[in-house]
Amino acid sequence: GAVVSQHPSWVICKSGTSVKIECRSLDFQATTMFWYRQFPKQSLMLMATSNEGSKATYEQGVEKDKFLINHASLTLSTLTVTSAHPEDSSFYICSAGLAGGTRGETQYFGPGTRLLVL
Amino acid sequence: GNSVTQMEGPVTLSEEAFLTINCTYTATGYPSLFWYVQYPGEGLQLLLKATKADDKGSNKGFEATYRKETTSFHLEKGSVQVSDSAVYFCALSVGGANSKLTFGKGITLSVRP
Repeated sequence: GAVVSQHPSWVICKSGTSVKIECRSLDFQATTMFWYRQFPKQSLMLMATSNEGSKATYEQGVEKDKFLINHASLTLSTLTVTSAHPEDSSFYICSAGLAGGTRGETQYFGPGTRLLVL
Repeated sequence: GNSVTQMEGPVTLSEEAFLTINCTYTATGYPSLFWYVQYPGEGLQLLLKATKADDKGSNKGFEATYRKETTSFHLEKGSVQVSDSAVYFCALSVGGANSKLTFGKGITLSVRP
C-alpha cells in the first residue's frame, strides 16, 4: 500500500529556534499534501493544503509566516515552524493524496512528528 | 459547510462485547465517508470507507453502512478485542483524494481483558 513517512518523529528544541519537518510519499506521487496539527486528546486540525509547485493554502487562523510550507516535488513537502514557542508544541501529521486520485480515494497519513518547544 | 459529529466518549468495553460508535454528518455535495483509527503515538490509518449511499465498508471485523436518509455512518463490531483499543475518527470528503477531509472529534475506545 501507499506509504507516507515523516522525519523526524520526535524533536525537542529551544524557544526561538526553527524546526523543519519533512513529509515524503515513498511509493507514489502526491500532487497534494495536507498538514494537520493535533493537540492531546483532540481531533486533527487542518493547517494547510500543499500543492506541488505552488503556494500552500492556509486555513483561517493559521499564520503563514509562522508555519512555512514548501512542496518542492511530487514526493516531498516540508513544514517549517519558525521562531518556535512553547505553544507550538504539538503533534504534527501530514497526509498525501494520490496524483489523479478519484472521488472516495483516501489520503495516506504519515506517522506524525511530536514537537516539544522548551 | 461540512461537519461530522461523533458520540461523546470515552468508551470502555469488556473483551468480546459489541461495539457501536455513532457518527452523523452534514455535507455540501455528495460526500465519501471514512473511519480512521489512531493507535497511541501514531498517525492515522484508514479503517474503512464508503463512497455512496447504502455501501457498507468493512475491515478487521468492523463495519459501517452509508445511510443517506439519516446522514449517518455508524461503526460497529460484533466482538471487540483488547488490541482494538485506540482512538476512532469519522471523516468525510467531497471530491477526490486531493480534497479536504473533515474530521469528527474522535472517540477513545478502551477494551478490558
